[in-house]
Amino acid sequence: GQNIDQPTEMTATEGAIVQINCTYQTSGFNGLFWYQQHAGEAPTFLSYNVLDGLEEKGRFSSFLSRSKGYSYLLLKELQMKDSASYLCAVENSNYQLIWGAGTKLIIKP
Amino acid sequence: IAGITQAPTSQILAAGRRMTLRCTQDMRHNAMYWYRQDLGLGLRLIHYSNTAGTTGKGEVPDGYSVSRANTDDFPLTLASAVPSQTSVYFCASSKTSGSGNEQFFGPGTRLTVL
Repeated sequence: GQNIDQPTEMTATEGAIVQINCTYQTSGFNGLFWYQQHAGEAPTFLSYNVLDGLEEKGRFSSFLSRSKGYSYLLLKELQMKDSASYLCAVENSNYQLIWGAGTKLIIKP
Repeated sequence: IAGITQAPTSQILAAGRRMTLRCTQDMRHNAMYWYRQDLGLGLRLIHYSNTAGTTGKGEVPDGYSVSRANTDDFPLTLASAVPSQTSVYFCASSKTSGSGNEQFFGPGTRLTVL
């Protein structure tokens, strides 16, 4: 079967750091995407990991461990505008995306 | 402005009616996708097209059909709508269907079937 797990909701404080985890079990794996989705809007691309390790892009970093079926998105220096849902998606062997249900991140002042 | 558009923005539909959701992109992307997004579930792929003239079934294709007559347009048709098709529908496109291609999403269509 195919399964992608993310926490449903997380709360963090403005200026802090938060880590959003994603674990997966899928039939075939090519890479892993993270997308951001503000309420009522379309998802937008954040990162793509294909190799193990950490990819840093400004305040956002994404980590992948293929052997453990695990990824995380790290958000630093949190801002109020970071309040959104964060979607983890695995690219399977057919290059189709299998999506997690998303993690709703609430930022408090 | 380059991007991907969808119409209508929202629609309330009586069960049994036929409905076509429109999607157009001007980025000359080869691949296009239709997803539905329901509360508590991840995006689920309905149909996809790797290039103009070809289409394929995704995870939840039943009750839906698509066509890809040209590069820009990828309409989704509900032949006879049912209440379980109430959802937010997103169209997306990517440069190609290969590995690591970022998908760009349209603004979505909120469909309610009564």
